[in-house]
This record gives sequence, structure tokens and C-alpha cells, in this order.
Amino acid sequence: SQQGEEDPQALSIQEGENATMNCSYKTSINNLQWYRQNSGRGLVHLILIRSNEREKHSGRLRVTLDTSKKSSSLLITASRAADTASYFCAPSGAGSYQLTFGKGTKLSVIP
Amino acid sequence: DAGITQSPRYKITETGRQVTLMCHQTWSHSYMFWYRQDLGHGLRLIYYSAAADITDKGEVPDGYVVSRSKTENFPLTLESATRSQTSVYFCASSDYNTGELFFGEGSRLTVL
Repeated sequence: SQQGEEDPQALSIQEGENATMNCSYKTSINNLQWYRQNSGRGLVHLILIRSNEREKHSGRLRVTLDTSKKSSSLLITASRAADTASYFCAPSGAGSYQLTFGKGTKLSVIP
Repeated sequence: DAGITQSPRYKITETGRQVTLMCHQTWSHSYMFWYRQDLGHGLRLIYYSAAADITDKGEVPDGYVVSRSKTENFPLTLESATRSQTSVYFCASSDYNTGELFFGEGSRLTVL
């Protein structure tokens, strides 16, 4: 398994603004997943993007994947205070079912 | 209720004692995982399992033991707890088809 590295480590924005966080990884992948963790809770799956996809949407979430740069980005549009959480990416290679996580991006949305 | 449950949610123990953290899932997922989360380290994989009676070491397995006699249960045992094992422990399971991980609410362990 390989670990993604999220950037920035922390991000603070005003409610209504867009939040963008990035993920870089090192070797080829089958898919990449994004998770959210609210303070004191377990991680929750947000979205999965496959290696043959370039962009995927889910509600206010937009994920892009650039396999040539080995990077992904998560965009949260029109952020809300409830989006305050840590966000983690998890790249997954072929035949690999275990996921490893980086330190995440801690997003603070100020009302 | 369907889901993944961990127990206990909070535990305080002393150095040298044995502690077992329980994890139970109701989906019949094949894969199960144990992570620990510490400030400055993110989540680190301790052990994982592909099926009953099949377990493998993750990044930080030292000091931990797991077993998986039934698909739905994946207990994590600290045979002789140390202060460095003070952490929040998360259990997760995943569906083979989607690869999506489902996490429990965590077990917060303090070793004095």
C-alpha cells in the first residue's frame, strides 16, 4: 500500500468560500479515495475516483485526478461551518486492499 | 443495527496490563483493519485481515496481537501495555467490490 500526502496541512476559510486541498502520491494507482474526519469521530468515505477518471462530482464535492502528476485535488464549494473537519486521501494500487493514510488537511470554516 | 462497533470507547489502564479492544461488524465484509491515530502521525495501520484466520502486519504491529476466528470480529490485544500505546484506535472494514472503508467510532486508550 502507499500513503498519500495531503497539502496544505491546515486551511482556514470563511463560510461560503471554496476550499481546495491536494494529495500527492508516489506510485501508480487503481483508484484514490477521499475521507473526512470530524473531531473525535471515525473517518467517513466521501468519494472514490478511478485511475481512468479525470474528474468526479458528488454534491458540493469535486475531485480531480492527474495520474501523470500523481496528484489529486478535492474542492468543496460554498463551504459551511459543518465542513470543518480533517480530510484524508488514500491512494490504492492494483491488488491492494489495505489503505494507509497521511496526516490529512485540517479545514476550518469560519461562520 | 448494521454497522461497525468498537468497545470499549474509553479505557484507562496501567503499564504492563493486557488490554483487548473489540471490533464487530454486521456487513460480513471480508476485510478488516486496525489503525491508531496520534497527533503528528495521522492514522497508522497496525494489522489487517483479508478473511477469518488470515491476518497481516501493517506499519506499526509491534506490541499488538490480533485474531480473527469469525468474519465479524477482529479484536486487538495489547499484551503488555506501554505508555507509547496511548492513542485512539480505529477499527474499519471494507467491501471487496468498492474498496470503501467503513470506520468505527474509535477506542480512546490511555496507558498510565
